[in-house]
Amino acid sequence: AQSVTQPDIHITVSEGASLELRCNYSYGATPYLFWYVQSPGQGLQLLLKYFSGDTLVQGIKGFEAEFKRSQSSFNLRKPSVHWSDAAEYFCAVGGNTGTASKLTFGTGTRLQVTL
Amino acid sequence: DTAVSQTPKYLVTQMGNDKSIKCEQNLGHDTMYWYKQDSKKFLKIMFSYNNKELIINETVPNRFSPKSPDKAHLNLHINSLELGDSAVYFCASSQRGRGGRETQYFGPGTRLLVL
Repeated sequence: AQSVTQPDIHITVSEGASLELRCNYSYGATPYLFWYVQSPGQGLQLLLKYFSGDTLVQGIKGFEAEFKRSQSSFNLRKPSVHWSDAAEYFCAVGGNTGTASKLTFGTGTRLQVTL
Repeated sequence: DTAVSQTPKYLVTQMGNDKSIKCEQNLGHDTMYWYKQDSKKFLKIMFSYNNKELIINETVPNRFSPKSPDKAHLNLHINSLELGDSAVYFCASSQRGRGGRETQYFGPGTRLLVL
């Protein structure tokens, strides 16, 4: 069974500081990995995804993530956080299970940004 | 243009009532999903339809019945609402890709409160 662990429930960073959100996954085959962001009262917006190839992927809003197969990780990073980045971040793993493809989400990391 | 839209955005109702949530996507995708986000922000898949055919049916009470009249629409009908049904329900869509490589795009969510 596939699973995702986001060890940090809540992270607080200062505006302008760097950010790293951790994500570890468990999946029996080649994983497809995603990061979504949810602002308060809003839906889920895709930040970036990894299917194959270059293990460092770039996303929107200046985010990037690195796939490390040996560590079963897909950590999200941003070099300089803006106050508008305050939101809930979800890591998800998907894959081909025959006729269906479903996402399994982590429990999320809430990011707070102090000015 | 809204890619994945849901109506209503908010739904407040009494226990025992029957209600429906509608979802439409204008992305031309062939697969649609319903996810439930509980009060702790945990997201879990409920159903998935591909070309109007049910392909994922997780362990969900049979009070929940999805219906897909065409590829662009996926509705969720809930009978005999219970307090525990209070949650945010997200619709998503994707285009089936080779080997399960697909990206799901989410709607804004429907916030259901059962009193």
